[in-house]
Amino acid sequence: AQSVTQPDIHITVSEGASLELRCNYSYGATPYLFWYVQSPGQGLQLLLKYFSGDTLVQGIKGFEAEFKRSQSSFNLRKPSVHWSDAAEYFCAVGPGGGNKLTFGTGTQLKVEL
Amino acid sequence: GAGVSQSPSNKVTEKGKDVELRCDPISGHTALYWYRQSLGQGLEFLIYFQGNSAPDKSGLPSDRFSAERTGGSVSTLTIQRTQQEDSAVYLCASSSSRGARAGELFFGEGSRLTVL
Repeated sequence: AQSVTQPDIHITVSEGASLELRCNYSYGATPYLFWYVQSPGQGLQLLLKYFSGDTLVQGIKGFEAEFKRSQSSFNLRKPSVHWSDAAEYFCAVGPGGGNKLTFGTGTQLKVEL
Repeated sequence: GAGVSQSPSNKVTEKGKDVELRCDPISGHTALYWYRQSLGQGLEFLIYFQGNSAPDKSGLPSDRFSAERTGGSVSTLTIQRTQQEDSAVYLCASSSSRGARAGELFFGEGSRLTVL
């Protein structure tokens, strides 16, 4: 069965600092991996996705993530966090092709000014 | 429509009542999903429709929950005899299996259900 672990429930960073959100997955084949963001009062928005090819993927809002098969990880990074990045971030894994995604429990990001 | 539309956005009901939540997916998307988001929890998969195939109901928590999708488009999630633990935000998403954005889920803004 597929599963996703986001070990950090809450993270607080200062504005301008770098950010890394951890995601570990369990999946029997080559996974399709996603990061979604949920800002307060808004719906979930896709930040980036990995299907195949280059293991470092770029997304919107300056985010990137790196797929590491050996570590079963897909960590999200941003070199300099902005106050508007405060939100909840969800990692998800699935088989692709429009099939269901399994989501992690999310990481709540707080940005200190 | 331009995005996934869900209604109602908020629903307050009394324990034991039935509720229906509606989802209107993006036109042309063959896949439709229902997830539940409870406070402090992740997104819990409920049910998945893909085209004309039998739905994947493996995530429905009890037989009080059911969903249908009519004409391959609009979906209704029904919760019978609601309980307080059903209080959550119910999210609908749709996706296409083709094109550059295949497999990407597009979410609605959710229906917040409160059971008193």
